[in-house]
Amino acid sequence: AQSVTQLGSHVSVSEGALVLLRCNYSSSVPPYLFWYVQYPNQGLQLLLKYTTGATLVKGINGFEAEFKKSETSFHLTKPSAHMSDAAEYFCAVSANQGGKLIFGQGTELSVKP
Amino acid sequence: DVKVTQSSRYLVKRTGEKVFLECVQDMDHENMFWYRQDPGLGLRLIYFSYDVKMKEKGDIPEGYSVSREKKERFSLILESASTNQTSMYLCASSLRAGLANVLTFGAGSRLTVL
Repeated sequence: AQSVTQLGSHVSVSEGALVLLRCNYSSSVPPYLFWYVQYPNQGLQLLLKYTTGATLVKGINGFEAEFKKSETSFHLTKPSAHMSDAAEYFCAVSANQGGKLIFGQGTELSVKP
Repeated sequence: DVKVTQSSRYLVKRTGEKVFLECVQDMDHENMFWYRQDPGLGLRLIYFSYDVKMKEKGDIPEGYSVSREKKERFSLILESASTNQTSMYLCASSLRAGLANVLTFGAGSRLTVL
C-alpha cells in the first residue's frame, strides 16, 4: 500500500529565502509522485509531477522537486520565496492504475516580509 | 482549461438532514473523485467513479453515497448529516485511468453541520 508523510505542518520563511518542503513516500511499486498547491479559498492545482526519467522535476512558479529512490523522498524546493507563495502544499502518490491519489497531511507555508 | 464546478461553496445544514453536493466537469473526463479535507489529515478519498453509473469506495465511504448518471456530473450524498461530517469537500476529475493522470480540482464546498 502507498502512503505519504509530509514533515512539518507549518513552515515559515522570509521573503527571498530558500523554501524546502519535505515529503517521504512508501510504495510497493515504482511511484508516480505529485505536488499540489492550494491557495486560500481555492481548490488544489498541480505544481509538478514525477513519472519516469529525469529525477529532478521542474514545475510552475519556480518550484522543483527531486525524486530520490534511496531516501524514498520527493522534497519540494524553491530558491527564493515570494509573498505570493504563501499557501498549503500537498504531496501525493498515485495509488494504482485507477488514477487515485494518496495525499499527505499538507504543509502550510508562510512567507514573512 | 478543464473546469470543475462545485455548485455550493458554503452550506450550513442540521443534523439528520439529507445533503447533496454537486460537481460538474466540462471536458469529457472519464474519472471523477470526491475527497474531504480536514486540518492535519490532508485529503481523504470518499468515493470515485471511472464511468457513468459506476462507483467505487475510497478510504472513508461510511455515511456517504454517490451518483453518476451522466458523465459530466458526480454527486455526493450525505443521507443523514452528522456533526463529524463538517468539513471541506473537494471534487476532482481526470481524463482517464492511469498512474500519471493529473487531477483537476473544483474550488471546494465547505459544509457545516449543526
